[in-house]
Amino acid sequence: AQTVTQSQPEMSVQEAETVTLSCTYDTSESDYYLFWYKQPPSRQMILVIRQEAYKQQNATENRFSVNFQKAAKSFSLKISDSQLGDAAMYFCAYREPFASGTYKYIFGTGTRLKVLA
Amino acid sequence: GAVVSQHPSRVICKSGTSVKIECRSLDFQATTMFWYRQFPKQSLMLMATSNEGSKATYEQGVEKDKFLINHASLTLSTLTVTSAHPEDSSFYICSAPQGYNSPLHFGNGTRLTVT
Repeated sequence: AQTVTQSQPEMSVQEAETVTLSCTYDTSESDYYLFWYKQPPSRQMILVIRQEAYKQQNATENRFSVNFQKAAKSFSLKISDSQLGDAAMYFCAYREPFASGTYKYIFGTGTRLKVLA
Repeated sequence: GAVVSQHPSRVICKSGTSVKIECRSLDFQATTMFWYRQFPKQSLMLMATSNEGSKATYEQGVEKDKFLINHASLTLSTLTVTSAHPEDSSFYICSAPQGYNSPLHFGNGTRLTVT
């Protein structure tokens, strides 16, 4: 079964500094999607960034970028110029390949990011 | 962007009663919706996959008769917690992809408290 592991329960970063959140996953598939979601105290899940496994180029969205290492099954999130509003729970997620019209998303256990002023 | 609306946001009910949670896709058709449960400071646990016009697919360990899911239209899925007990108190979140290549769009969640 596919699994997603986030080994850092909690991370702290100074405002304006850079932080990297780790994520590893296990799958035998070659085509899949990976995501990072942010859950602030409001508990609304917000998409941060996505990566298609067939694309070698790492995805970037403004201050957020990923380091996707397919062979190592690693998908880390880098947040540059951290802001107070970045403080949240971050979940790494894996999406199964499409099959029979349905597909599951599997979430990691999350990393709580604290941003220090 | 795609919007998923979930109601109610909070509900308190007495033990033994049933509670219905609605999840609507406001500006797109959702043939598939996912229902998650989240305990405090924990990850999202997939409860079931709801498919429009067919029976939901439940994850192992989730009681089908306790958590009734109906997906009667392309924009509405409901989760009914039947004969609720205090241990059913939790945060329930629905989500739906806009299309095959779309990420999940989440509702705001429902905090259920059973007294």
